[in-house]
Amino acid sequence: SQTIHQWPATLVQPVGSPLSLECTVEGTSNPNLYWYRQAAGRGLQLLFYSVGIGQISSEVPQNLSASRPQDRQFILSSKKLLLSDSGFYLCAWTGTANTIYFGEGSWLTVV
Amino acid sequence: GIQVEQSPPDLILQEGANSTLRCNFSDSVNNLQWFHQNPWGQLINLFYIPSGTKQNGRLSATTVATERYSLLYISSSQTTDSGVYFCAVFGNAGNMLTFGGGTRLMVKP
Repeated sequence: SQTIHQWPATLVQPVGSPLSLECTVEGTSNPNLYWYRQAAGRGLQLLFYSVGIGQISSEVPQNLSASRPQDRQFILSSKKLLLSDSGFYLCAWTGTANTIYFGEGSWLTVV
Repeated sequence: GIQVEQSPPDLILQEGANSTLRCNFSDSVNNLQWFHQNPWGQLINLFYIPSGTKQNGRLSATTVATERYSLLYISSSQTTDSGVYFCAVFGNAGNMLTFGGGTRLMVKP
């Protein structure tokens, strides 16, 4: 069966520090991968999606970036975090059925 | 892009009551999903329901694709049903999932 994991689950980072959130999917190949952010407990905002290795589409201009170095690995990064980057980040994947599955989420607090 | 609206935005129920949550979307879709986000943030798939009716225990969902809406029914609500309920759709032209704003449900004992 397919599984998706992301880490770390929680982190507290100072303003200006870098960020790296990692997501991996097992049990499937060539998934579409997504990064979402949720602020204030409501509303999921699509940040990035990827349909293949090295193929990244950005939905919202910001100081975040994403990379897909391997078929089932998706990384969310920042060189310098802002206070406004705080939130709950969710990685997700879809296969051919267009059914989406989410990771456990990562709580980021920028202080 | 496709617009997704959910109602009501907030709902408070007494334990044991029934409720109906609504999701309207602005264009044709080839997938619609309902999720429950628990207090820990985890998003749980409830239904994959691009059309028709499905039931799972006390929950059921109906999507009328021709009229561009979906309904989620919660019967005999329990305190563990509390959280935020999202619907999300895949439009026919694209591979992105668009979420509604959610319905925040609180079930009181």
